[in-house]
Amino acid sequence: DQQVKQNSPSLSVQEGRISILNCDYTNSMFDYFLWYKKYPAEGPTFLISISSIKDKNEDGRFTVFLNKSAKHLSLHIVPSQPGDSAVYFCAAISTGGGNKLTFGTGTQLKVEL
Amino acid sequence: GAGVSQTPSNKVTEKGKYVELRCDPISGHTALYWYRQSLGQGPEFLIYFQGTGAADDSGLPNDRFFAVRPEGSVSTLKIQRTERGDSAVYLCASTLTSGGTDTQYFGPGTRLTVL
Repeated sequence: DQQVKQNSPSLSVQEGRISILNCDYTNSMFDYFLWYKKYPAEGPTFLISISSIKDKNEDGRFTVFLNKSAKHLSLHIVPSQPGDSAVYFCAAISTGGGNKLTFGTGTQLKVEL
Repeated sequence: GAGVSQTPSNKVTEKGKYVELRCDPISGHTALYWYRQSLGQGPEFLIYFQGTGAADDSGLPNDRFFAVRPEGSVSTLKIQRTERGDSAVYLCASTLTSGGTDTQYFGPGTRLTVL
């Protein structure tokens, strides 16, 4: 059973426009959420996180929104840059149930010139 | 400073053989994690160490998989009697403390291919 789902395997946007990546989860015990970015042949790199007590967290061009009632989060990147082209993974933790990350299947973002 | 390193970067082996994968965490990090990423999937948790002991090994798929961290730093993931289904990228991560929201820093992974 996939507890964290990223239903869009790929997304293509133009440079300068907004990229919106979506993630849904099913486990109501998850209380901390993260986005990781991965380039080929490299490990995932932490991007931004949000606690379940918040509904928004912003860091520069990156903003994560959390809708607990819908069990949905999204990552907004604005403006998108060619260097943002990578695979983005959504991940979740149940902080009361250990420290393991549960990942989605990833979304390949391509930012075109 | 140096990040998480993993060796080898690539390992090709034959079905039935034994393999060891090594992880060097960031210096001073007390917690260490192993994940496995199969093609087209996200990383899946295998095992988590606090210091020298395995705090959670619930993700190990079966008893062919074993991991150690004898001195609380370097860890080795050991796979016996490898099967073709074990082919994946094995990722290691470390955190400064054992806090649940500590950022997990990942290494580049070891790509294991079982022929």
